[in-house]
Amino acid sequence: TQLLEQSPQFLSIQEGENLTVYCNSSSVFSSLQWYRQEPGEGPVLLVTVVTGGEVKKLKRLTFQFGDARKDSSLHITAAQPGDTGLYLCAGRSYSGAGSYQLTFGKGTKLSVIP
Amino acid sequence: NAGVMQNPRHLVRRRGQEARLRCSPMKGHSHVYWYRQLPEEGLKFMVYLQKENIIDESGMPKERFSAEFPKEGPSILRIQQVVRGDSAAYFCASSPQVGDFYNEQFFGPGTRLTVL
Repeated sequence: TQLLEQSPQFLSIQEGENLTVYCNSSSVFSSLQWYRQEPGEGPVLLVTVVTGGEVKKLKRLTFQFGDARKDSSLHITAAQPGDTGLYLCAGRSYSGAGSYQLTFGKGTKLSVIP
Repeated sequence: NAGVMQNPRHLVRRRGQEARLRCSPMKGHSHVYWYRQLPEEGLKFMVYLQKENIIDESGMPKERFSAEFPKEGPSILRIQQVVRGDSAAYFCASSPQVGDFYNEQFFGPGTRLTVL
């Protein structure tokens, strides 16, 4: 069974601060996705990283895929209250039952205080 | 373009009743995935379907749970004889094709099932 460990589980910071969220596994993934989920809603895809060492930027968000494709990080610069939400990482791998599956971490609940 | 639609958004059932959850994928998407999210847990894959076919049901409990995606109409996740442990948020996602390496899945808003 593949597991994705996310840390920290909870994070409360002041507006304007920087933060990093981590996603770690002992398994290799063909790609890794980051989602953001608002209360009462479904996850919304932020980014997909595919190549080991890949870095993608989305405004104030920087995503990195580890060289070995086992881990990833999300860095937010100058956090805003609108960044508040649950951040989920999901690794894609072949299930052995005929399809590729997404394995999700438990998420990091971020709260940005004005 | 309408996104993935799920209904009902909230469903309350008593122990022993049946629960039917519906999912309409995004227009042009023929692949549907069901996930379950328990409180303080991550999303867990349950089943992957294409039109009229179950491709991978390795994450679905062997008993009481079934899923279908008919040629016409929405995908249905059916839970028979519900128990309190079935209380969770059930999410459906759809994707346009499997051949796409990224296999980006677009999620619906979920159905919150509460079993009394």
